[in-house]
Amino acid sequence: NAGVTQTPKFQVLKTGQSMTLQCAQDMNHNSMYWYRQDPGMGLRLIYYSASEGTTDKGEVPNGYNVSRLNKREFSLRLESAAPSQTSVYFCASSDWQPELYGYTFGSGTRLTVV
Amino acid sequence: ELKVEQNPLFLSMQEGKNYTIYCNYSTTSDRLYWYRQDPGKSLESLFVLLSNGAVKQEGRLMASLDTKARLSTLHITAAVHDLSATYFCAVVGAQKLVFGQGTRLTINP
Repeated sequence: NAGVTQTPKFQVLKTGQSMTLQCAQDMNHNSMYWYRQDPGMGLRLIYYSASEGTTDKGEVPNGYNVSRLNKREFSLRLESAAPSQTSVYFCASSDWQPELYGYTFGSGTRLTVV
Repeated sequence: ELKVEQNPLFLSMQEGKNYTIYCNYSTTSDRLYWYRQDPGKSLESLFVLLSNGAVKQEGRLMASLDTKARLSTLHITAAVHDLSATYFCAVVGAQKLVFGQGTRLTINP
């Protein structure tokens, strides 16, 4: 099915470990986003990529890096995981006219840092 | 900086009753989205509201947008248990989608 695919779905890390969350979309969308969701705080934007080759910081970028590998793929890297990064991470994508087609979200990655 | 606030954050209601969720935002925007999220699941798009006075309805849910008041409402009519979920509004600002905190709706028989 067309959409946004995130891997892995679940992950447990020890403090200080690193990992990369993968996101790929097959809708030929230009823009891609990484959000984190914490209880009572909605979704907060970590980084976004308005188009291939560009990335920008969102509301909570500290402790993360991103790579827009190509038009399809947008990865999120935690270089040295901390317990405060325990969260659910969602990747999303949109085209040039999100007012028509909205934003499509992946199924999420549930990350626990111990 | 764009801020989006929803109220109430928690809502417990009985089947058959009507209620409204409110979404206020702090800066001018003409695009507002409503999403539904079931526990442990991703976000499902409900409505896209693009202009002042826009009203959209799907089943027992109706959403409206007042850009002058910077306010959107999600009205639930004759609630049924299947509508239990968390509902988010989100507003576009500077090419980014900013979310409210979410309203956790529980509908009891």
